[in-house]
Amino acid sequence: DAKTTQPPSMDCAEGRAANLPCNHSTISGNEYVYWYRQIHSQGPQYIIHGLKNNETNEMASLIITEDRKSSTLILPHATLRDTAVYYCIVRDPGANNLFFGTGTRLTVIP
Amino acid sequence: EPEVTQTPSHQVTQMGQEVILRCVPISNHLYFYWYRQILGQKVEFLVSFYNNEISEKSEIFDDQFSVERPDGSNFTLKIRSTKLEDSAMYFCASQISGNTIYFGEGSWLTVV
Repeated sequence: DAKTTQPPSMDCAEGRAANLPCNHSTISGNEYVYWYRQIHSQGPQYIIHGLKNNETNEMASLIITEDRKSSTLILPHATLRDTAVYYCIVRDPGANNLFFGTGTRLTVIP
Repeated sequence: EPEVTQTPSHQVTQMGQEVILRCVPISNHLYFYWYRQILGQKVEFLVSFYNNEISEKSEIFDDQFSVERPDGSNFTLKIRSTKLEDSAMYFCASQISGNTIYFGEGSWLTVV
């Protein structure tokens, strides 16, 4: 799996959009970008994934650059409950595994 | 929404004792995993399981560890003789082939 680079920490004001960047410059053509988060010591929670096109679901939006070397997870209206560690993971769908890095610790500030 | 469930949520055990952590994966899923997270550290892959056999394992998953799917619904992780350094949160996960992996809430193991 390709490696990813994320900032170690970010702050976001409650109610504002949180934009979490991820670099994955060595991503290969069939690898997807997955985002998970971990709230305190709970189990990792799936957020969203994508291959080339931008994706949106009820939790977040995923913007992938045209060259696929980076992406941004957007939480449109961050709440205090969104405070968590966010993991960007690049994964071949044929690989039945996920490898977690250190992620970005997002703190939503009242 | 279907979810992965794990028991116990917390277990304290004496060093050298055997521990079994239990998981009920999502019902139509085919691939099963165990991960662990030592306090303050990354989530680490231990083992993946498919078609009643281990498909991949990490260096952490040594002879002290074993996995089993005894009855077609449960998926267990056994640590034969626990060490202090086995203290961690253990996460079970499952997926349908090629799709999203879903995690349980974890079992916190404390070895004393």
